[in-house]
Amino acid sequence: KAGVTQTPRYLIKTRGQQVTLSCSPISGHRSVSWYQQTPGQGLQFLFEYFSETQRNKGNFPGRFSGRQFSNSRSEMNVSTLELGDSALYLCASSLRTNPDTQYFGPGTRLTVL
Amino acid sequence: AQSVTQLDSQVPVFEEAPVELRCNYSSSVSVYLFWYVQYPNQGLQLLLKYLSGSTLVKGINGFEAEFNKSQTSFHLRKPSVHISDTAEYFCAVSESGATNKLIFGTGTLLAVQP
Repeated sequence: KAGVTQTPRYLIKTRGQQVTLSCSPISGHRSVSWYQQTPGQGLQFLFEYFSETQRNKGNFPGRFSGRQFSNSRSEMNVSTLELGDSALYLCASSLRTNPDTQYFGPGTRLTVL
Repeated sequence: AQSVTQLDSQVPVFEEAPVELRCNYSSSVSVYLFWYVQYPNQGLQLLLKYLSGSTLVKGINGFEAEFNKSQTSFHLRKPSVHISDTAEYFCAVSESGATNKLIFGTGTLLAVQP
């Protein structure tokens, strides 16, 4: 069974631009969560989607948004990029909501110049 | 609010020696506990998890952890490490409930030396 895939793997943007990251969960998984990883703040929860509904949201500004499609694929969008948005963005999928094992993708490395 | 503390940012150890990576958590409700490993330029891989039942949990690659409710700890151990165990290890907690939200510790770099 294929694992969680994230596209693109690397991305370079400039301040003020917007970006969309994509995550394809493991087949059959309906829950997708997003995390931001930076050297300064570590791993921080962004949001979780289950069956196209946002179930939980972390403490991030409204510039960060996401959605989930009927096939469970998920996208996250960051508008008006700031230098501090440079990070590794990780997506994780699981069959159902807590408690369940989350399987992480390789991440998308976003660099904002 | 939940929080996870990994006091050791880096743990150097010689190959074939035992190792313990410490993790303490705080929460006012029942929790589920996880250990993940991250190799360079990769995502996170689950090592083991505690949901309920036996407090000694065995995971992949010879790792195990013990849940201690009174000390709010979930330390990770391995009796004999290999060079290939060199990686960043993250302890995480989630509250029992209807969400997969994980709160992570700051990570511990396990540096195995020959």
